[in-house]
Amino acid sequence: NAGVTQTPKFRVLKTGQSMTLLCAQDMNHEYMYWYRQDPGMGLRLIHYSVGEGTTAKGEVPDGYNVSRLKKQNFLLGLESAAPSQTSVYFCASSSGTGREQYFGPGTRLTVT
Amino acid sequence: KNQVEQSPQSLIILEGKNCTLQCNYTVSPFSNLRWYKQDTGRGPVSLTIMTFSENTKSNGRYTATLDADTKQSSLHITASQLSDSASYICVVSARSFQKLVFGTGTRLLVSP
Repeated sequence: NAGVTQTPKFRVLKTGQSMTLLCAQDMNHEYMYWYRQDPGMGLRLIHYSVGEGTTAKGEVPDGYNVSRLKKQNFLLGLESAAPSQTSVYFCASSSGTGREQYFGPGTRLTVT
Repeated sequence: KNQVEQSPQSLIILEGKNCTLQCNYTVSPFSNLRWYKQDTGRGPVSLTIMTFSENTKSNGRYTATLDADTKQSSLHITASQLSDSASYICVVSARSFQKLVFGTGTRLLVSP
């Protein structure tokens, strides 16, 4: 039981490049989330999903897209990376509203 | 504005000593309050979740308290260990499901 896993762990992009971050969970959770964590700020919700095939915008969705084609996977895409997207990205999952969220180990992304 | 403020920002204590971390919030309508532990380079891990009706909740050497009237919470760590060195994040959930408001955390260093 691996819980929530994220790939890659680290990535460096040049401005304008694209990439996809993959999140996978093996707990059969319906809800999945993508957050970013920046120095001096609390985690902020980018996008979330309440089930396979559904996605919704969070607090800071601009510049990101997501897809939830399979229940266990939640992908975060950056179409044209910007230096402002340099951050640590965390994926999380939960079994329902108000339930505990389980976080992945994070992806450290640097955009130069 | 929904906010979660934590104090102190950082704290150094000697191994074996106790400490208390504070969290004040203005999130409304309140649903629950969570404390997470985040080791350096890792994702947050849940310590406790408390609802409106719960005043105290313990998880081993960690005890969280909640005063919903004054909108304050504290996390008390007893007999600290070196492994307690981490950031401790207070998170408040509003009744609208996707609204988790994260504090910026208290960085605790336990010194031998």
